[in-house]
Amino acid sequence: GAVVSQHPSWVICKSGTSVKIECRSLDFQATTMFWYRQFPKQSLMLMATSNEGSKATYEQGVEKDKFLINHASLTLSTLTVTSAHPEDSSFYICSASSDGSGNTIYFGEGSWLTVV
Amino acid sequence: QQQVKQSPQSLIVQKGGISIINCAYENTAFDYFPWYQQFPGKGPALLIAIRPDVSEKKEGRFTISFNKSAKQFSLHIMDSQPGDSATYFCAASNSWGKLQFGAGTQVVVTP
Repeated sequence: GAVVSQHPSWVICKSGTSVKIECRSLDFQATTMFWYRQFPKQSLMLMATSNEGSKATYEQGVEKDKFLINHASLTLSTLTVTSAHPEDSSFYICSASSDGSGNTIYFGEGSWLTVV
Repeated sequence: QQQVKQSPQSLIVQKGGISIINCAYENTAFDYFPWYQQFPGKGPALLIAIRPDVSEKKEGRFTISFNKSAKQFSLHIMDSQPGDSATYFCAASNSWGKLQFGAGTQVVVTP
């Protein structure tokens, strides 16, 4: 089946630094990927829609200058958390659709970010 | 404002029993309704999904019932097993791939 891979699985960074998370579709091309964040015991909240070759579309309340998204190719989207603070510590998950119609949406395994 | 409301928040069921999780939505433009299973520390895994043109879909022990007029849909897990213990999320989408999630239901299946 379709696989979406995220890297790293977990990362610890110091306050004020930036950290990049990668999302790859391993066996299909994805013109659109999505980034979510999930706090412990809470639901997934959509952060932004990543579009290959164009600017990302951010959800209301998500700081675009803090959460930089780049979708450089049809198989790779990256999320960079800039000037990270402890409150940015969360589980970040990406998703992509394998068939171009939204019928089947697969999620990556997620990336745990801890800011100390 | 949560666009998809999910209940119950948690559920305990005995092995072999039926787990039922309900979701409701308001946005009639939603046209794709998936259910996801999530284990601690892992990303959500697609279980089963339905479109509004059918009222029921069954895959193995998992069944989605969909009521378009009531704007409700539910997940039934038949013959629940301890391995089914996880958090289940319903979701809805009205544009390609962009999902709105319910709050989640933690299911515990006792031996």
